[in-house]
Amino acid sequence: GAGVSQSPSNKVTEKGKDVELRCDPISGHTALYWYRQSLGQGLEFLIYFQGNSAPDKSGLPSDRFSAERTGGSVSTLTIQRTQQEDSAVYLCASSLGPPAPLHFGNGTRLTVT
Amino acid sequence: DQQVKQNSPSLSVQEGRISILNCDYTNSMFDYFLWYKKYPAEGPTFLISISSIKDKNEDGRFTVFLNKSAKHLSLHIVPSQPGDSAVYFCAASSGAQKLVFGQGTRLTINP
Repeated sequence: GAGVSQSPSNKVTEKGKDVELRCDPISGHTALYWYRQSLGQGLEFLIYFQGNSAPDKSGLPSDRFSAERTGGSVSTLTIQRTQQEDSAVYLCASSLGPPAPLHFGNGTRLTVT
Repeated sequence: DQQVKQNSPSLSVQEGRISILNCDYTNSMFDYFLWYKKYPAEGPTFLISISSIKDKNEDGRFTVFLNKSAKHLSLHIVPSQPGDSAVYFCAASSGAQKLVFGQGTRLTINP
């Protein structure tokens, strides 16, 4: 079956612009996660959706970052007024819920110039 | 606050020998641990996991060991193959909470 799909695969934007990153999780997966990996760094947790529960937003680095998950499926991560330090690979993952393993997409490489 | 730590950023091992990747954690509430493997330009893929009620889990060439008293886990790959060259991440979670990842270790298998 299809895996986790992320779009776009690459995004170059100017500082100050807003960007939207999309994630299509595996059908039936109730949990959805966003992580990011900056150059030479590990995986930094951003936000976690689990079923109908309130999302865990504890990893969002600033109020410029927001995410939503519509209909329990597709998720969009929005970064407003992008800064150069936002440049990273943004990874989405889904799972059947803890402790089931996460399935990752190939990520969106965001470059802010 | 780095709750999961991989202190070795890189490791080089000869083909056919054993690769040992290490991971330490600080949160005693973690009860589930996983290892992921990542190739360039791809997302991480799940490799093997272990519950805190066990101290060892084996899957083919891969074995994960958990030492709860030391808050330490390790991944053993034997024999190591060139295709094992990748970045390896350990991760941990507590109950239904988010998965916390380490910084990763780049493993290079030399022919």
